Amino acid sequence: QPALTQPASVSGSPGQSITISCTGTSRDVGGYNYVSWYQQYPGKAPKLIIYEVTNRPSGVPDRFSGSKSDNTASLTISGLQAEDEADYYCSSYTSSNTPLVFGGGTKLTVL
Amino acid sequence: QLQLQETGPGLVKPSETLSLTCTVSGGSISSSYYWGWIRQPPGKGLEWIGSIYYSGSTYYNASLKSRVSISIDTSMNQFSLKLSSVTAADTAVYYCTRLVTSGYYLPHYFDFWGQGTLVTVSS
Repeated sequence: QPALTQPASVSGSPGQSITISCTGTSRDVGGYNYVSWYQQYPGKAPKLIIYEVTNRPSGVPDRFSGSKSDNTASLTISGLQAEDEADYYCSSYTSSNTPLVFGGGTKLTVL
Repeated sequence: QLQLQETGPGLVKPSETLSLTCTVSGGSISSSYYWGWIRQPPGKGLEWIGSIYYSGSTYYNASLKSRVSISIDTSMNQFSLKLSSVTAADTAVYYCTRLVTSGYYLPHYFDFWGQGTLVTVSS
């Protein structure tokens, strides 16, 4: 049972915007600005796309944005493109005895 | 550009110890980062195993801690994973990673990943 809750799947049409949620508790997502997001294509290693809730690494398009409200973090992809079809994982620092946890992952389908 | 490469057996027998090594190139392992392991069972999500600093300081996933040992060899620019008493549930792709931490060494995010190596536990 993943510590952070994500929807199993989301979908959208090219050009639309979609949002993927990542729900935790005050001990992780809600308590710290240490949420990160990863994009993973089939058979490939995950790639960091958002760190510290809102920051994008160099080279990540500004169509990808992150935010947080209370115990829920969100990843928004605007101007959806076919190449965005992938699995997306959130992660957060947590004050529990396992200091870093992941969400279960969300499969994004571009219709 | 920093690169990480996992090496080790692709098949391990039940009850034995899984051993993997990650070689870091394009940068020094003796820098201000933690280095560690994440795994992903086939068709499932990511699970952080643990990470180590060049000084030897470690973080572990509490659910695996009793079976996991992560070590570091700064002279070889490598770090290693040992997971004991493996079962079929340990079958997964294992990724080596670089972990960025805060000024207080709190784990933040993984900015570099190896390509991953599939380890199957089977007799």
